[in-house]
Amino acid sequence: QVQLQQSGPGLVKPSQTLSLTCAISGDSVSTNSASWNWIRLSPSRGLEWLGRTYYKSKWYYGYAPSVKSRIIIKPDTSKNQFSLELSSVTPEDAALYYCAREVNGGNLLWGQGTPVTVSS
Amino acid sequence: QTVVTQEPSFSVSPGGTVTLTCGLRSGAVSTGYYPSWFQQTPGQAPRTLIYNTSIRPSGVPDRFSGTLLGNKAALIITGAQADDESVYYCLLYMDNMGSDTWVFGGGTKLTVL
Repeated sequence: QVQLQQSGPGLVKPSQTLSLTCAISGDSVSTNSASWNWIRLSPSRGLEWLGRTYYKSKWYYGYAPSVKSRIIIKPDTSKNQFSLELSSVTPEDAALYYCAREVNGGNLLWGQGTPVTVSS
Repeated sequence: QTVVTQEPSFSVSPGGTVTLTCGLRSGAVSTGYYPSWFQQTPGQAPRTLIYNTSIRPSGVPDRFSGTLLGNKAALIITGAQADDESVYYCLLYMDNMGSDTWVFGGGTKLTVL
């Protein structure tokens, strides 16, 4: 049974970098049959897909245009996890952040969610 | 500018049937967009109801179904229950010149009354 466990700080100062990690059990981040995604939920924007990484002979990355200049998603094969870094955060980045595994055309398995506040 | 369109709100009577739709600002939704549907209830992680247009994950009741209707994807809920009152989001896959992304719709708030 695949499970995702998120970790990371829930409070980030404006202009700093938000960093979250998603540990995977029951699957491998290097599998060629899944992608590993970050998604956020906020009252103003609803669900927003931020980006993903996946492996098919090499690593691929895809990011939402709204955050493309500020986001990095990294796989960590040694720890079987993947991470999110979102730089230059503003109060608009405050949200509930989810990691998710995607397989078979949009079947998402969700992490537990991490609430993130942006405040000095 | 919302690329993926959903009705902002909908209401259904208990036991009734409701069809929520997911469209594009420009063009028609097809199976190549791999439409998926998610239920979001406050305090809980989203729940996947339908993926790849019409496939139900194990554990999702068969009163939730997905299909294409005209130029849109649709989520059909039959025999609506009180605990179906949630926000429903669709998700579409976009392959734009080799840069592939997923895009959520704005969500439909469903009221059961």
